[in-house]
Amino acid sequence: AQTVTQSQPEMSVQEAETVTLSCTYDTSESNYYLFWYKQPPSRQMILVIRQEAYKQQNATENRFSVNFQKAAKSFSLKISDSQLGDTAMYFCAFMKRGSNYKLTFGKGTLLTVNP
Amino acid sequence: NAGVTQTPKFQVLKTGQSMTLQCAQDMNHEYMSWYRQDPGMGLRLIHYSVGAGITDQGEVPNGYNVSRSTTEDFPLRLLSAAPSQTSVYFCASSPPGLAVETQYFGPGTRLLVL
Repeated sequence: AQTVTQSQPEMSVQEAETVTLSCTYDTSESNYYLFWYKQPPSRQMILVIRQEAYKQQNATENRFSVNFQKAAKSFSLKISDSQLGDTAMYFCAFMKRGSNYKLTFGKGTLLTVNP
Repeated sequence: NAGVTQTPKFQVLKTGQSMTLQCAQDMNHEYMSWYRQDPGMGLRLIHYSVGAGITDQGEVPNGYNVSRSTTEDFPLRLLSAAPSQTSVYFCASSPPGLAVETQYFGPGTRLLVL
């Protein structure tokens, strides 16, 4: 079974600064996907970014980028130019390819952006 | 296009009562699933469906039933509610094709079992 570990329960950052959230995972699979989801106080789960394991290039979406280290089984999320609206719970998630799309989530990191 | 909708938003039940959490999507997504979220934990998969008439168990299926008679709807049934089922429940769906692994979540249903 796969496990996803987010070692930082809480983090804070000043507005306009950069912050990195950590995620490690354990799997024996070679084909899989990794995701970061954002959950603001509204509780809506919002997809931030996804990465296919077979792609060496790190995914980016505007101010959000990942550092995917497949050998180290690490998948960190970097948020640049942090904004107040980035305040949320962030979840790292793993999906084995061909697993009927089952997501395994980490326990989350609560990010607070301070003005 | 309403996306993934869930009803009710909030529900209080007494131990032993039954209820159905509704989930619907209007995007013609084949894959649908139910997760629960407990404090201090990430989401855990309860049941999922890869198409109408096909369902399977996830990580924490005990105490829950599902059925999938149409592509649009995927209700979750609690036959005899227990306090341990107090949680926030999320429904999700995935499109067919290349983006099938990207899941879209509903707004959640908060359930309190007394």
